[in-house]
Amino acid sequence: EAQVTQNPRYLITVTGKKLTVTCSQNMNHEYMSWYRQDPGLGLRQIYYSMNVEVTDKGDVPEGYKVSRKEKRNFPLILESPSPNQTSLYFCASHRGRRGFTDTQYFGPGTRLTVL
Amino acid sequence: AQSVTQPDIHITVSEGASLELRCNYSYGATPYLFWYVQSPGQGLQLLLKYFSGDTLVQGIKGFEAEFKRSQSSFNLRKPSVHWSDAAEYFCAVGERTGANNLFFGTGTRLTVIP
Repeated sequence: EAQVTQNPRYLITVTGKKLTVTCSQNMNHEYMSWYRQDPGLGLRQIYYSMNVEVTDKGDVPEGYKVSRKEKRNFPLILESPSPNQTSLYFCASHRGRRGFTDTQYFGPGTRLTVL
Repeated sequence: AQSVTQPDIHITVSEGASLELRCNYSYGATPYLFWYVQSPGQGLQLLLKYFSGDTLVQGIKGFEAEFKRSQSSFNLRKPSVHWSDAAEYFCAVGERTGANNLFFGTGTRLTVIP
């Protein structure tokens, strides 16, 4: 079954404690991205990656890091989380043909609370 | 710069009534357009998409949307709403070039009353 998985699904942590949210897709997609969803703001892109070792900032990258060492994985790293990063996070992927926006597949979401 | 506006934050309709959710976009060329639905506690599911051709697009669950270039709109419609349609709906614009990123509107929450 084609899917995007995220772990953990729920996480409560404290300010300053480094954390990683994993994302994995089994569709051999080139393109992966991370979004955060906040009430009244919709989904905003944090980072995206067009292929292995190719990443770039989205609209709200401050306080986040990503890496793309393998095609299937795209972890989101918060090195020093703060309460304003409390949000619902979604990972997404698509085939990523240049000049063509294919259907994005979304993971189930990770609800993060930073105290 | 690309942007998407969903002017209605919350809409309430009666079950069986018709529905129209508004979406306006700003983009330098003809965009790719999408509607996604998010049920409570769930991820996003693609309802339909427009890339080119026929401006009336059919999607899943009985939804359709019409691309109107002159109005920069891509409104979502359904002739008869079911209680299970209660959810949040997001319109999105996709870049045709470059990184092929998606830009989302702020969403419209749909409540269905019996």
